[in-house]
Amino acid sequence: AQTVTQSQPEMSVQEAETVTLSCTYDTSENNYYLFWYKQPPSRQMILVIRQEAYKQQNATENRFSVNFQKAAKSFSLKISDSQLGDTAMYFCAFMIKAAGNKLTFGGGTRVLVKP
Amino acid sequence: DTGVSQDPRHKITKRGQNVTFRCDPISEHNRLYWYRQTLGQGPEFLTYFQNEAQLEKSRLLSDRFSAERPKGSFSTLEIQRTEQGDSAMYLCASSLGDRGRDTPLHFGNGTRLTVT
Repeated sequence: AQTVTQSQPEMSVQEAETVTLSCTYDTSENNYYLFWYKQPPSRQMILVIRQEAYKQQNATENRFSVNFQKAAKSFSLKISDSQLGDTAMYFCAFMIKAAGNKLTFGGGTRVLVKP
Repeated sequence: DTGVSQDPRHKITKRGQNVTFRCDPISEHNRLYWYRQTLGQGPEFLTYFQNEAQLEKSRLLSDRFSAERPKGSFSTLEIQRTEQGDSAMYLCASSLGDRGRDTPLHFGNGTRLTVT
């Protein structure tokens, strides 16, 4: 079974600064995807960024970037130039491509961006 | 594309009653997923469909839970004889799963169930 661990329950960051969220996972599979999803208060979960395990290059999406360390099974998210709208729960998720695209989520990290 | 829609947004019910939730996926998506999320936790997988076939069910899905997707479009999740422990947010998601064309999961706003 796959597990996803997010060790930071909460993180605070000043507006315009950078914050890094950690995520580790455990799997014996080789062909998988990793995701970061954002869930603002009382709003729907939206995809922030996706990484394919066979790609060595770290994914980036505007102010969001990941540090994917496959051997260490680590997948951290960096939010640069934090904005007030980044305040949300952030979930790391894992998916085995051959398993119906089912996601396994971590417990989440609450990010609070302070003005 | 209007996104994944779920109905109702909120449901309050008394213990022992039956409830049914509905999910309408993005129209061209062939896969549909149900997740349960309790306060402060990550979503937990319940079940998923490819077209009308229910391909996997989690052990979390007790006999009181049943899901259907009769025509491969919308889906319903029914909980019979609700218990207080069923109180949670029930999330629906959809994706397109096809050879060489897999999309990420798109989530709905969820149905928040409160069992009193």
